Amino acid sequence: DAKTTQPTSMDCAEGRAANLPCNHSTISGNEYVYWYRQIHSQGPQYIIHGLKNNETNEMASLIITEDRKSSTLILPHATLRDTAVYYCIVSLNQAGTALIFGKGTTLSVSS
Amino acid sequence: GAVVSQHPSWVICKSGTSVKIECRSLDFQATTMFWYRQFPKQSLMLMATSNEGSKATYEQGVEKDKFLINHASLTLSTLTVTSAHPEDSSFYICSASGQGAGRPKAFFGQGTRLTVV
Repeated sequence: DAKTTQPTSMDCAEGRAANLPCNHSTISGNEYVYWYRQIHSQGPQYIIHGLKNNETNEMASLIITEDRKSSTLILPHATLRDTAVYYCIVSLNQAGTALIFGKGTTLSVSS
Repeated sequence: GAVVSQHPSWVICKSGTSVKIECRSLDFQATTMFWYRQFPKQSLMLMATSNEGSKATYEQGVEKDKFLINHASLTLSTLTVTSAHPEDSSFYICSASGQGAGRPKAFFGQGTRLTVV
């Protein structure tokens, strides 16, 4: 079973920041937080991941609370192409460990 | 970055026939590959985990004799849906992880839409 809880859906205006929350209160000390997104009828796309520290890349920023029980994915300037289902997943950072997907958050970006 | 290629993107087959789906890691060695299935408006469900050179491990409720997985090399895994029936119609997605990918995460193929008529 997925170990994360996310809102079912969120709306965002184009050009504004999209802040997607995720609760993972039972995360273990050696588990990472991964974010993927899935655009309709495509395979999931990696966005970002982190363990304790906040992370930023060209796609997004990941803010992890100090107790690691929750995190927020930030898309700084959402575009229409960011409309997708966003999945927050906690998992060990091992090649042989599968990612277990929850229901995710459907983000709708509108103009 | 690392790329996982899945083929075909879509396939239509007659009930009772078998369909093979290929998953290739293009620029890294995938010691482990995963197969998922996704029904409309649902999330991805893990079907099986395959390690190169060994038998796949299937999740509970997934028939190993129906969904044959072969991971004969570090860059190729195949999923064969045998004696397909309409209820097997779904979106099948593979992912790969392993050494040399550069970043500690799994990469996903683009998925295969299977329609059994």
